[in-house]
Amino acid sequence: AQKITQTQPGMFVQEKEAVTLDCTYDTSDPSYGLFWYKQPSSGEMIFLIYQGSYDQQNATEGRYSLNFQKARKSANLVISASQLGDSAMYFCAMRGGSEKLVFGKGTKLTVNP
Amino acid sequence: EAGVAQSPRYKIIEKRQSVAFWCNPISGHATLYWYQQILGQGPKLLIQFQNNGVVDDSQLPKDRFSAERLKGVDSTLKIQPAKLEDSAVYLCASSPQDWQRDTQYFGPGTRLTVL
Repeated sequence: AQKITQTQPGMFVQEKEAVTLDCTYDTSDPSYGLFWYKQPSSGEMIFLIYQGSYDQQNATEGRYSLNFQKARKSANLVISASQLGDSAMYFCAMRGGSEKLVFGKGTKLTVNP
Repeated sequence: EAGVAQSPRYKIIEKRQSVAFWCNPISGHATLYWYQQILGQGPKLLIQFQNNGVVDDSQLPKDRFSAERLKGVDSTLKIQPAKLEDSAVYLCASSPQDWQRDTQYFGPGTRLTVL
């Protein structure tokens, strides 16, 4: 069975600083995909970044990068130069083989001015 | 490109009443998903359609929940009768196909409160 663990219920960061949101996963599938989504208070889930298990390089999308450590089964999200608009819930999710997309419980990020 | 549309955005009902939610996916997306997100948790898949066929409904409480996707486009999710524990946000998502790499794009959700 697939499992996603996000151990940080809440994180605080100063505007313009970088922040790392932790995510560990568990799966027996050799091929899987890892996703990060942002959920503002409005409720919509916004796709941020994707990492495939066989991708050689860590994924990057603008200010978002994914620190993928396959041996440790971790897929941490790094947000550089935090902005006030980054305040939201962040969810890590994975999909292995033909399995469904499984989400963690999320981390609430607050960016302070 | 228009995103995933859902309606209504909010719904308040009393227990034992019925309710229906509507979703229109991104044009051309073959796969449609309904998720339930209880407060403080991540979304949980209820049902997945590939075109108008059901791919996965293993976590759908079939005694009270039903869903359909007529003509392989928009979809409705129904709860009858509702229970207090059904209070949640119901998210609809779509993706081009059902491949592992396919990103799922979510709608704004319907927030259901059961009193």
